[in-house]
Amino acid sequence: SQQGEEDPQALSIQEGENATMNCSYKTSINNLQWYRQNSGRGLVHLILIRSNEREKHSGRLRVTLDTSKKSSSLLITASRAADTASYFCATERAQKSNDYKLSFGAGTTVTVRA
Amino acid sequence: EAGVTQSPTHLIKTRGQQATLRCSPISGHTSVYWYQQALGLGLQFLLWYDEGEERNRGNFPPRFSGRQFPNYSSELNVNALELEDSALYLCASSLAGVNGYTFGSGTRLTVV
Repeated sequence: SQQGEEDPQALSIQEGENATMNCSYKTSINNLQWYRQNSGRGLVHLILIRSNEREKHSGRLRVTLDTSKKSSSLLITASRAADTASYFCATERAQKSNDYKLSFGAGTTVTVRA
Repeated sequence: EAGVTQSPTHLIKTRGQQATLRCSPISGHTSVYWYQQALGLGLQFLLWYDEGEERNRGNFPPRFSGRQFPNYSSELNVNALELEDSALYLCASSLAGVNGYTFGSGTRLTVV
C-alpha cells in the first residue's frame, strides 16, 4: 500500500520559476526522502530529512517536514529544463528493529518549459 | 565507485514463462530491495534481502521470489508470468537506509 500522497499530480512551469510539490503520509516515520525519475529510468536520491529535522537544503532544493501534520514539501528554485522529471516522496519507518523499507507515493510529474 | 547495476535492461517473455532479473549492489551495501513500477501504479515494494536472508516482502504472490548471494548480489525470479507483470523492476541497495537508497536503472519486463 502507498504511504505517501503527492500533490499536485502534475505541474507545468516556465524555466526560471520555482516548483513546489507536497507529500502527505499516514504513519510515524524515521525519515522522508525525495527521489527524481527521468523518463521511466532509475530513481535518483535527492535529499533525506529525518523525523527530528524541520528543513533541509541541497543546492536549489529545499525540503520541509512537519511531523505534526504528517507532510513534507519539496521546493525547486530557479527551475531548468533538466529538472523535467517525476518526483517521488518516500517514507522509511522501522516497524520492528531493523525492519527497513521505503514506501513511495504516486509522484508528481514536473514539466519545465523553455 | 560503481553504482547499483541491473541486468538485463530489457526482457521480453511470453505468458507462463519464467523471468530472472539480476542486481549487484554498491560495494559494502548488504541490503538489496526490489520494487515493481507498473504503469500508473507507482512503486510497489516487492522484497528486501539483507545478509543473505529475506527480511520482508510486499503484497505479491509467491510466484515472485528471489535470493541474495554471499557477495550480496541478488536475483528476482517471477514464475508463471502474467500480462500484468509487465513493468519496470527496480533494485536498490542501502546501508539500512542510513543515507538514502541507491537505485539501479531497472529492468523493463514485457510479457506478451
